[in-house]
Amino acid sequence: EPEVTQTPSHQVTQMGQEVILRCVPISNHLYFYWYRQILGQKVEFLVSFYNNEISEKSEIFDDQFSVERPDGSNFTLKIRSTKLEDSAMYFCASRRGPDPLDTQYFGPGTRLTVL
Amino acid sequence: GQQLNQSPQSMFIQEGEDVSMNCTSSSIFNTWLWYKQDPGEGPVLLIALYKAGELTSNGRLTAQFGITRKDSFLNISASIPSDVGIYFCAGRYNNNDMRFGAGTRLTVKP
Repeated sequence: EPEVTQTPSHQVTQMGQEVILRCVPISNHLYFYWYRQILGQKVEFLVSFYNNEISEKSEIFDDQFSVERPDGSNFTLKIRSTKLEDSAMYFCASRRGPDPLDTQYFGPGTRLTVL
Repeated sequence: GQQLNQSPQSMFIQEGEDVSMNCTSSSIFNTWLWYKQDPGEGPVLLIALYKAGELTSNGRLTAQFGITRKDSFLNISASIPSDVGIYFCAGRYNNNDMRFGAGTRLTVKP
């Protein structure tokens, strides 16, 4: 069964460093998402991406964040200058289309630890 | 904003008992979804509801989309140890993106 994959599974970085989290969505999906989950808390929406541009973003997704689909398969989240409070699980998700019946499938997540 | 209130926050039950959790919102949604998250993994979809009043089952799980479109519940019957995890409700309005509840942490004692 096709699945969303994410790499790395765990990233440790120093405060102020740039990180890039990578995702490979399901191949025939057109809508892509990033979510964040701080330890013990709920899943929070960051950004959605369709047709090579951001379609919606939350207040969490500030200028330090950016997303890119550099080729036909990868979808990346970049944090330019990490802060301690960026430590969280980051989940990528993808969805085939805009039909309400098209649900989102989540990847296994990348645990980001900022020291 | 489209905030979801999910309750209870946590539940400790005996194996074999039934479980009920719910989500409410001040905003309406067109789609309600229930996800389960195991430790260290991403959320996995359990049930999706697309119509107000809809009642849908998936094995021992039953979920309903409230008539007002502002609430949903999830029931688990005859719980087993592998039901342990965090259950999240999520709502979506039109094609906007999902908003999640805070989760219900379920512990099942054998």
